[in-house]
Amino acid sequence: DIQMTQSPSSLSAFVGDRVTITCRASQSINTYLNWYQQKPGKAPKLLIYAASSLQSGVPSRFSGSGSGTDFTLTISSLQPEDFATYYCQQSYNTPYTFGQGTKLEIK
Amino acid sequence: EVQLVESGGGLVQPGGSLRLSCAASGFNFSSFWMNWVRQAPGGGLEWVANIKKDGSEKYYVDSVKGRFTISRDNAKNSLYLQMNSLRAEDTALYYCAKEGIMVARVNRHYYHYYGMDAWGQGTTVTVSS
Repeated sequence: DIQMTQSPSSLSAFVGDRVTITCRASQSINTYLNWYQQKPGKAPKLLIYAASSLQSGVPSRFSGSGSGTDFTLTISSLQPEDFATYYCQQSYNTPYTFGQGTKLEIK
Repeated sequence: EVQLVESGGGLVQPGGSLRLSCAASGFNFSSFWMNWVRQAPGGGLEWVANIKKDGSEKYYVDSVKGRFTISRDNAKNSLYLQMNSLRAEDTALYYCAKEGIMVARVNRHYYHYYGMDAWGQGTTVTVSS
């Protein structure tokens, strides 16, 4: 199975900050990498697919990059509604696997 | 509007069984792969299983193989998860998720990509004596 490792596990930042979350796969997954946002008590929401393509309706302050084994999710200017937990997920093969999550908190 | 509504969760003793259901609406259900994803209390997301559009292919995470069965009824726009021999570690919120098909351009070529683009609100399964 492909292991997905996110860092950091948690992050504190101010509104307006630029933040980056990283995700590493245990083997090459090309660009078969998705990012999700989950707010407390809510279902996850797909933000980015194919490592860098923005899902419809997602604000342009979110961006993704990477290929192979190393990926990043960047939020260019944090908004209050962005404080949530973020997960990466590989769709290269089954079993699909998620990273352990990065909890983004307000400083 | 795409809607996914899970049901069937509850409290069950170790070794018991439950059948989860997911009612889909707002999209052509028979055209998409469907998934079950779970989240243990205070934990992260774990993919459990998925099923092809026509039900002919099914895949599972190792920890549920031989105990859980995913199925679908396209005539009823419904997805199911039959869970047998339940264990305490199966305690979680179980989500039904639609697997969207997206196209992206990579190095001048176009490829299909898959992501879970619609989720239900989940149904809670608690395995405890």
